[in-house]
Amino acid sequence: GQNIDQPTEMTATEGAIVQINCTYQTSGFNGLFWYQQHAGEAPTFLSYNVLDGLEEKGRFSSFLSRSKGYSYLLLKELQMKDSASYLCAVRDHGDSWGKLQFGAGTQVVVTP
Amino acid sequence: GAVVSQHPSRVICKSGTSVKIECRSLDFQATTMFWYRQFPKQSLMLMATSNEGSKATYEQGVEKDKFLINHASLTLSTLTVTSAHPEDSSFYICSARDAPSGPQETQYFGPGTRLLVL
Repeated sequence: GQNIDQPTEMTATEGAIVQINCTYQTSGFNGLFWYQQHAGEAPTFLSYNVLDGLEEKGRFSSFLSRSKGYSYLLLKELQMKDSASYLCAVRDHGDSWGKLQFGAGTQVVVTP
Repeated sequence: GAVVSQHPSRVICKSGTSVKIECRSLDFQATTMFWYRQFPKQSLMLMATSNEGSKATYEQGVEKDKFLINHASLTLSTLTVTSAHPEDSSFYICSARDAPSGPQETQYFGPGTRLLVL
């Protein structure tokens, strides 16, 4: 199974940078995903890491260290529309169906 | 690409009735779809994995006779909540894989169905 931890809530100012950490403990590992979810809506895919290092995609970057069981999602130049819950999800290596286990989500509040 | 739809988006039903939720992959074939449930301010909990042409695989603690899953084609999976009760009220979300299992495989989510059982 997986044990996935991320902070419950973070607050930041418009234009600032926020880093959301995610730690996981798994028996196997085959990729880590970050999703964004606005209230009452389904999650939307943000990023995917399977190898160590940084993946950059516009204002969003995601980092992975497999040896430390650690990832972070970096949001730059925050905008009001970035206020949402950010979900960290891990795929188990042994699962041929690609099942994901989700963390509880980090609620990011962007203030003016 | 990779669009997943769900129907209905919202449903209110009386206790004891059954509700069917459809999940469709609109522009790709999905051999595997997943059904999740999400309670307010909580994360997504995987209920079952739905494979086209075979029986669904349920997660521990999920009653297969209460949550009937049918994956009739490569683009359609249905979840039927049988004899619904108020505690079944939740946000039900499906997702579909866009490729066979591999490093680049990604799950895409439907817009969700909000179920309220009175």
